[in-house]
Amino acid sequence: EAGVTQFPSHSVIEKGQTVTLRCDPISGHDNLYWYRRVMGKEIKFLLHFVKESKQDESGMPNNRFLAERTGGTYSTLKVQPAELEDSGVYFCASSSGRGDGYTFGSGTRLTVV
Amino acid sequence: AQSVTQPDIHITVSEGASLELRCNYSYGATPYLFWYVQSPGQGLQLLLKYFSGDTLVQGIKGFEAEFKRSQSSFNLRKPSVHWSDAAEYFCAVASRTSGTYKYIFGTGTRLKVLA
Repeated sequence: EAGVTQFPSHSVIEKGQTVTLRCDPISGHDNLYWYRRVMGKEIKFLLHFVKESKQDESGMPNNRFLAERTGGTYSTLKVQPAELEDSGVYFCASSSGRGDGYTFGSGTRLTVV
Repeated sequence: AQSVTQPDIHITVSEGASLELRCNYSYGATPYLFWYVQSPGQGLQLLLKYFSGDTLVQGIKGFEAEFKRSQSSFNLRKPSVHWSDAAEYFCAVASRTSGTYKYIFGTGTRLKVLA
């Protein structure tokens, strides 16, 4: 079984540019989550999809962040325009919802310069 | 408010020595607790979880954790550390709100293993 795949693994962009992160969950997992870890801080929840619907987006920092999950398969997280404080590692996770916990991807390290 | 505290940011142990990583949580109900590990260049890998039942939980790679409700703790232990255990370890509690299981993570403990 393939795991959760995220790409790119690293991205370096200039302040003001746009970046799109992609997450491919485990096939058949309806639940998809985005988390973020800013340098030295804890990993924080951003949002949760159930299939293509946003179940909870209370952790999204501001309206420069847009997450989509068209068709209930892969998800994208777009940051537009990027700011310096957006630098960090963005993790995606998926779960079946049957109480077996999440499977995380390896993360995308975003650096805004 | 729910929170997870990992008081040790860095820990260094010698290979073969025992290990205990501390985790304290603040959560109103019965917690679902997890330990994850992140090795360099890798994603977060689940080591073990506690939902209910036996308070001593066995995980992968020889790790175990003990849930102590009276101390609000879920410390991770390993009797003999291997060099490959060098990584960052995260404790988390799952908070259920509005049908979502959100994880609340601690800030992580970075483990260094001396040969």
